[in-house]
Amino acid sequence: DAKTTQPTSMDCAEGRAANLPCNHSTISGNEYVYWYRQIHSQGPQYIIHGLKNNETNEMASLIITEDRKSSTLILPHATLRDTAVYYCIVRVGVSGAGSYQLTFGKGTKLSVIP
Amino acid sequence: DGGITQSPKYLFRKEGQNVTLSCEQNLNHDAMYWYRQDPGQGLRLIYYSQIVNDFQKGDIAEGYSVSREKKESFPLTVTSAQKNPTAFYLCASSIRGLSGELFFGEGSRLTVL
Repeated sequence: DAKTTQPTSMDCAEGRAANLPCNHSTISGNEYVYWYRQIHSQGPQYIIHGLKNNETNEMASLIITEDRKSSTLILPHATLRDTAVYYCIVRVGVSGAGSYQLTFGKGTKLSVIP
Repeated sequence: DGGITQSPKYLFRKEGQNVTLSCEQNLNHDAMYWYRQDPGQGLRLIYYSQIVNDFQKGDIAEGYSVSREKKESFPLTVTSAQKNPTAFYLCASSIRGLSGELFFGEGSRLTVL
């Protein structure tokens, strides 16, 4: 699986958009980009994933560059409850039978400041 | 509500003792996983199972054992052979297929005294 590079930490003012970058310059054509977050001492929570196109759901938006070498997770209106470690992961999507061994790095610690 | 339940949430163990962490899911997921997390680190895969009665080693399986006798259950035993067992253990499950969404439990924190 392609490796990812994320900043160690970021701050964001409450109510503002939080933009979390991720570099995955060695991503292959069949690898998806996944984002998870982990609030302190809890299990990680799935946020969003995408392959080529930008994706949006009720939690966030995922912007993937045209060359797919980087992506940005956007939390449109950050709240204090969004303070967490955010993990960017790339993984091959396997059709049919198969499990997903997602490799979690150290992620980005996002602090939302009042 | 559907979800994954891990127990116990906190566990203390003396050196040389085996301990079993429970993981139960009612999501009807085929695949289940165990991860280990050390302070300030990411998650490392210990074992995973794609189907009942089958499981594979992950990146750090030494000193651990699992079983998958039922679809709903995937217990992890931390044996005395595990040199540094103090950690936060996370269980997850997923459907089989294209989506890679993992559902995680709340974790079990093991401390060896």
